[in-house]
Amino acid sequence: SQQGEEDPQALSIQEGENATMNCSYKTSINNLQWYRQNSGRGLVHLILIRSNEREKHSGRLRVTLDTSKKSSSLLITASRAADTASYFCATDQTGANNLFFGTGTRLTVIP
Amino acid sequence: EAGVTQSPTHLIKTRGQQVTLRCSPISGHTSVYWYQQALGLGLQFLLWYDEGEERNRGNFPPRFSGRQFPNYSSELNVNALELEDSALYLCASSLKRGGGFMQYFGPGTRLTVL
Repeated sequence: SQQGEEDPQALSIQEGENATMNCSYKTSINNLQWYRQNSGRGLVHLILIRSNEREKHSGRLRVTLDTSKKSSSLLITASRAADTASYFCATDQTGANNLFFGTGTRLTVIP
Repeated sequence: EAGVTQSPTHLIKTRGQQVTLRCSPISGHTSVYWYQQALGLGLQFLLWYDEGEERNRGNFPPRFSGRQFPNYSSELNVNALELEDSALYLCASSLKRGGGFMQYFGPGTRLTVL
């Protein structure tokens, strides 16, 4: 499969704690993107990191990319109840014409 | 700026019927993508249209088809519905490759096949 895989599948934390989600993939990529999906709705783009970048920040989000290990992580700092959602990584793979989405991590932030 | 819109929001069909889902991309976006998301699962790529042509297709049977109109809106057609077609169908749009390939998603159409 060309899809990525997120780890863990589900994560439950207290408000204020940090949440870390990991994504692994199998092929060469142009970029890797993280998306968020509130229950049963459309996805919202969070952040894009290019293959020549190692780390990127956006507000409370920090994304790292290790192309040698074919993995990425998404860190959400100082989590809030409103961060409760599913988070997906998606890879823009070299030579492909579409994004390949991972299986998602379901994050629950307990107030 | 209006986002990606999809219609209808919900749809209930019976096995064997046909369904048409519609998507309007963000103004200026020429690429439209369709995904299927079965309950609790990840997104499965269905189809990609750009400039009115089908550019790529996922691993789905031929009864899944679609088209893109001159105004870049798109339709997804599913014939001979099966129970396992029950899912959230998501449409996304993007500028042509070169813009980072970031996709903007619509709210989805929830299809239930009985």
